Amino acid sequence: GAGVSQSPSNKVTEKGKDVELRCDPISGHTALYWYRQSLGQGLEFLIYFQGNSAPDKSGLPSDRFSAERTGGSVSTLTIQRTQQEDSAVYLCASSTGDIGNTIYFGEGSWLTVV
Amino acid sequence: GQQLNQSPQSMFIQEGEDVSMNCTSSSIFNTWLWYKQDPGEGPVLLIALYKAGELTSNGRLTAQFGITRKDSFLNISASIPSDVGIYFCAGHLNNAGNMLTFGGGTRLMVKP
Repeated sequence: GAGVSQSPSNKVTEKGKDVELRCDPISGHTALYWYRQSLGQGLEFLIYFQGNSAPDKSGLPSDRFSAERTGGSVSTLTIQRTQQEDSAVYLCASSTGDIGNTIYFGEGSWLTVV
Repeated sequence: GQQLNQSPQSMFIQEGEDVSMNCTSSSIFNTWLWYKQDPGEGPVLLIALYKAGELTSNGRLTAQFGITRKDSFLNISASIPSDVGIYFCAGHLNNAGNMLTFGGGTRLMVKP
């Protein structure tokens, strides 16, 4: 597609359940990022994929969070045993992967844990 | 922790006024980017700066990459109601590869 596509756009889940969020980056972009944005806050880096390199997981807040990127394209962010503090917008972004290249964001997946 | 200090955190201005916001850091950045986020949307790139001292305009927006590579500002001239949103600075830290670090955002409100 023309832009970064994320699904679902909204998700309400019960505390303790697992959730999966999907990101389809811009075609041809080798770099993919996940960020988290709590209500009224800035963007918190979670994880970064670049080509076939090992992902940079340094931003994942706990071992309940994991992400995969299959075939160098689509990525899935999984949150296990969700907690109320996981409620946030999860934003995916992609870029060409060149050093200093700008990144382009999807519209986000709004997660609410009740 | 936060490596980019963005100010002000929020602004409430009258339509037609000019706006200025900035980001500073104690670290050196290789690029500076400015994004705008509308309610319910993802951030959208406004301006990208790649060289120290660079001054770039995009319509009513002007941004500069500081000479020291540790700061950047964004100016919006003659604000209009659709300028409402959250503005984020972001940058690629020196020696951090393609990782993008974000400021905390400036929430802009425009009164018609």
